[in-house]
Amino acid sequence: DSGVTQTPKHLITATGQRVTLRCSPRSGDLSVYWYQQSLDQGLQFLIHYYNGEERAKGNILERFSAQQFPDLHSELNLSSLELGDSALYFCASSYSGTSGNTIYFGEGSWLTVV
Amino acid sequence: ILNVEQSPQSLHVQEGDSTNFTCSFPSSNFYALHWYRWETAKSPEALFVMTLNGDEKKKGRISATLNTKEGYSYLYIKGSQPEDSATYLCASYNAGNNRKLIWGLGTSLAVNP
Repeated sequence: DSGVTQTPKHLITATGQRVTLRCSPRSGDLSVYWYQQSLDQGLQFLIHYYNGEERAKGNILERFSAQQFPDLHSELNLSSLELGDSALYFCASSYSGTSGNTIYFGEGSWLTVV
Repeated sequence: ILNVEQSPQSLHVQEGDSTNFTCSFPSSNFYALHWYRWETAKSPEALFVMTLNGDEKKKGRISATLNTKEGYSYLYIKGSQPEDSATYLCASYNAGNNRKLIWGLGTSLAVNP
């Protein structure tokens, strides 16, 4: 158990809908990362938050947004969903977000868009 | 975006064999190299974070080396066991990548009993 909690674990929704994925980082970790894992691709970095502020942005679509709240939990909002958004979404956390920090992954949220 | 490449893409070995695979990363503006182990149906688990050229780290039967000047890292598994079957991911943190880890696609290892 990495200490990173993600909900829901599985989600099935229709195209055009909007979903919110939730992540609680490990106790004491200030950084939260979101990744997307599709069947035919490696881990795709989406976005990184540190202590409530956006630190780095990856290949995140405009239809997707995220935020980190004062209690350090984070939410990833996916809207106008398309079939291609079906993927495993990982949240991860680290203490400070600097290069040498170990990153701890949650178990992921499986999103299926039908 | 600077790429991280891993080879081979997949590997099948017999129980007891020792094996190694490679992670190639940009050597310029290098900060850190991460290795992760990812078992099917689980989340990636950190193995090593390496920062210094010539660094060697060991965790049980798994060890890793780092060459930052030429931009590669080797991961070694001694006496492979079926429970070592997993995808091994590396990720590089370079200043030129706008403060984010760039991940390789992984090496998928299958250890046959």
